[in-house]
Amino acid sequence: DAGITQSPRHKVTETGTPVTLRCHQTENHRYMYWYRQDPGHGLRLIHYSYGVKDTDKGEVSDGYSVSRSKTEDFLLTLESATSSQTSVYFCAISVGGGMGYEQYFGPGTRLTVT
Amino acid sequence: GESVGLHLPTLSVQEGDNSIINCAYSNSASDYFIWYKQESGKGPQFIIDIRSNMDKRQGQRVTVLLNKTVKHLSLQIAATQPGDSAVYFCAETAKTSYDKVIFGPGTSLSVIP
Repeated sequence: DAGITQSPRHKVTETGTPVTLRCHQTENHRYMYWYRQDPGHGLRLIHYSYGVKDTDKGEVSDGYSVSRSKTEDFLLTLESATSSQTSVYFCAISVGGGMGYEQYFGPGTRLTVT
Repeated sequence: GESVGLHLPTLSVQEGDNSIINCAYSNSASDYFIWYKQESGKGPQFIIDIRSNMDKRQGQRVTVLLNKTVKHLSLQIAATQPGDSAVYFCAETAKTSYDKVIFGPGTSLSVIP
């Protein structure tokens, strides 16, 4: 599992509240990713990081921000949660020293925005 | 536009038979392809990958075939077992845009005992 953990695993929150999801890895990988998975859409990239304090936007970044102050932690923040952000969120790392390599995923966080 | 898709959204196979899951892609610049397996309630799990300089790659009970002429990718699972029941995703990326890994919607494989 490439030493990836996500917390919390489940969360229910109200519309308009900020939410932070945490991804933690133990193997010092440079590249980390946040995806969301929704029925009919598959996995879609939200943000990714290519090093400490180095992040960039993915396909569906609106309404999300990220931070990476340490190699091992990559945080995803929903600044003001909306019902459309109800989803399963996966963190991933890529091995091999670059982005063009296979990715390994964490167990996921199921987020429900009511 | 760029897309990765699957011909069959669901596939049922008898235990012991071979399974073939197909995937089409449209970006001719894609040069790296990956198959993932996702079991219920878990994150996707890397199965096998292939680069565009290859036509075939084999793993343990799995084979990936790449046909660049028709932009087609397939995953073959030999002697399918109940533990192979899962959703299988193909993914593509290109060295010009490795930040854009595009995942297909997935095919659900169901193994009949």
